[in-house]
Amino acid sequence: DSGVTQTPKHLITATGQRVTLRCSPRSGDLSVYWYQQSLDQGLQFLIQYYNGEERAKGNILERFSAQQFPDLHSELNLSSLELGDSALYFCASSGEGLNHHGYTFGSGTRLTVV
Amino acid sequence: DQQVKQNSPSLSVQEGRISILNCDYTNSMFDYFLWYKKYPAEGPTFLISISSIKDKNEDGRFTVFLNKSAKHLSLHIVPSQPGDSAVYFCAASDKSGGSNYKLTFGKGTLLTVNP
Repeated sequence: DSGVTQTPKHLITATGQRVTLRCSPRSGDLSVYWYQQSLDQGLQFLIQYYNGEERAKGNILERFSAQQFPDLHSELNLSSLELGDSALYFCASSGEGLNHHGYTFGSGTRLTVV
Repeated sequence: DQQVKQNSPSLSVQEGRISILNCDYTNSMFDYFLWYKKYPAEGPTFLISISSIKDKNEDGRFTVFLNKSAKHLSLHIVPSQPGDSAVYFCAASDKSGGSNYKLTFGKGTLLTVNP
């Protein structure tokens, strides 16, 4: 157990629908990062939150949004889903600054859009 | 534009031999490099890292080498074991964001160690 909790582990939904992925960071970590892993695409950075505020944005579609709540958990909202959104979505957390091991990842949510 | 490249999607080696995984980067602002290992149905886990002020870091069977002039790093696993079979991601961080660092990942290399 890495200490980063992601729910649900699996999600199957239809095109056009909206889903919410949830992440609880490791205790004490203020930063949360969301990554998408599609086939052959590696880990694509989507967005980062730090202590409730958006810090950095990557290749996140306008149909996607995220937020980090006062208790530091984060949610990634995916709307108007398309077949191509099927992927593994990882959440990671870190403390202030860069420590030697970088991020701690959760086990991911596998989203399948049918 | 891929700033971190792992040009070999897969690598197969025999148990007991050396595994060498390669990674190239283009951003000269990168100053810290990490390797993560990922098993199926799990998230990536940290393996080993190296600062740009060093050219080698060793941890047991794992050694990372950094060649800054060539913008290249490699991960050596000696001896390779079947349990090392996993996807290996190279990642890099730059200090441009201060404490707000962001890791940029390569696409990963699937290592298979055959008994």
